[in-house]
Amino acid sequence: EEQLVESGGGLVKPGGSLRLSCTGTGFIFTTSSINWVRQAPGKGLEWVSSISGSSRIIFYADSVKGRFTISRDNAKNSLFLQMNSLSVEDTAIYYCAKDGNPDRAFDIWGQGTMVTVSS
Amino acid sequence: SYVMTQPPSVSVAPGETAKISCGGDDIGTESVHWYQQRPGQAPVLVIYSDSDRPSGIPERFSGSNSGNTATLTISRVEAGDEADYYCQVWHSDSSHVVFGGGTKLTVL
Repeated sequence: EEQLVESGGGLVKPGGSLRLSCTGTGFIFTTSSINWVRQAPGKGLEWVSSISGSSRIIFYADSVKGRFTISRDNAKNSLFLQMNSLSVEDTAIYYCAKDGNPDRAFDIWGQGTMVTVSS
Repeated sequence: SYVMTQPPSVSVAPGETAKISCGGDDIGTESVHWYQQRPGQAPVLVIYSDSDRPSGIPERFSGSNSGNTATLTISRVEAGDEADYYCQVWHSDSSHVVFGGGTKLTVL
């Protein structure tokens, strides 16, 4: 069964940092592009970042560019999101989601990990 | 940046047909995907590339895309279809994934 599992969420103060992880199983991780998508409480989905299987192609949403860094370790089937300079607006459930086709439909989603930025 | 507009809510009686729109500039030239998100759960892909259904998604779910509007159609609506629905595209011009604002489907 294809599966993604996130971890690393928690409570952090404004200006602080947090590193999220996502582990994939049941599919060929090394050739799969993976994304981070977040959802603020009571709000819609917001794409955050994506990374290709080789790590050569990386994109960021304007709202996080320069503060967040996406990376992966294919040897460990793991994806990461380093989040710096966090603000209350970054409070959200963070999902990792796998590209399912060249048109970038996300066919597999993790259960999400909650990040709360509060003093 | 590319913007896609969905109605905040759609209501339909059980057994009827629900249509959820996703408007965007020339969206007919994009490949549109649709997700269902039930309360407290992660999104699930229900339609990809305008009109294709992943395995396990009922035939009651269908999609179309033309001009400035993409549409998700749910036939013979059931109580279990009550959820939020989001459209999504990969906008290559901006190298951004874009989601619509979401539509809450209420089954009366």
